[in-house]
Amino acid sequence: SQQGEEDPQALSIQEGENATMNCSYKTSINNLQWYRQNSGRGLVHLILIRSNEREKHSGRLRVTLDTSKKSSSLLITASRAADTASYFCATDELGGGTSYGKLTFGQGTILTVHP
Amino acid sequence: DTEVTQTPKHLVMGMTNKKSLKCEQHMGHRAMYWYKQKAKKPPELMFVYSYEKLSINESVPSRFSPECPNSSLLNLHLHALQPEDSALYLCASSRRDSYGYTFGSGTRLTVV
Repeated sequence: SQQGEEDPQALSIQEGENATMNCSYKTSINNLQWYRQNSGRGLVHLILIRSNEREKHSGRLRVTLDTSKKSSSLLITASRAADTASYFCATDELGGGTSYGKLTFGQGTILTVHP
Repeated sequence: DTEVTQTPKHLVMGMTNKKSLKCEQHMGHRAMYWYKQKAKKPPELMFVYSYEKLSINESVPSRFSPECPNSSLLNLHLHALQPEDSALYLCASSRRDSYGYTFGSGTRLTVV
């Protein structure tokens, strides 16, 4: 079953604008990760945030995590046409306080950045 | 070497064929994974190998048979597949405990 639900399902913006994607999940997690996938290719790891962290930055990416609301957001600032891709959140779930040792992916957001 | 290499990139096979997908990494990662992805859907976990031992099988049909010959290689043996098994098959690897996965570019499988 899919743990994460993302919204919006699709997002279309102009170059230079910011893009925000949200992810909700249902169970306790060890960490939450964001991945990018270009048009049916492999996934690229973007950023990982641990359950005891609230915010993390990497270049133009900012990720937040609210474990009380079981939600996360990914902000891409000053977007570029090259950011056009599908973005997935993925959760490393906990069971009995221990990681299951697997990632479960959300449904994904398709981001289109127009030049 | 920071890559996961998957071969072949494309595969067309008949329902009576036997074929294998191959995945290789030289990053010293001790966890390796097979995911299946249908068009416009998220990747779905099939198998997890940890230290060359199968640790998770997500109730995958027996027509898919994984194998981990050593710490760098992961195979997926295919036999008597159905057309609905057509998908992108992704291999990934990771260090254990709270690290991101490195994915290969996938094998696009078509079953005819």
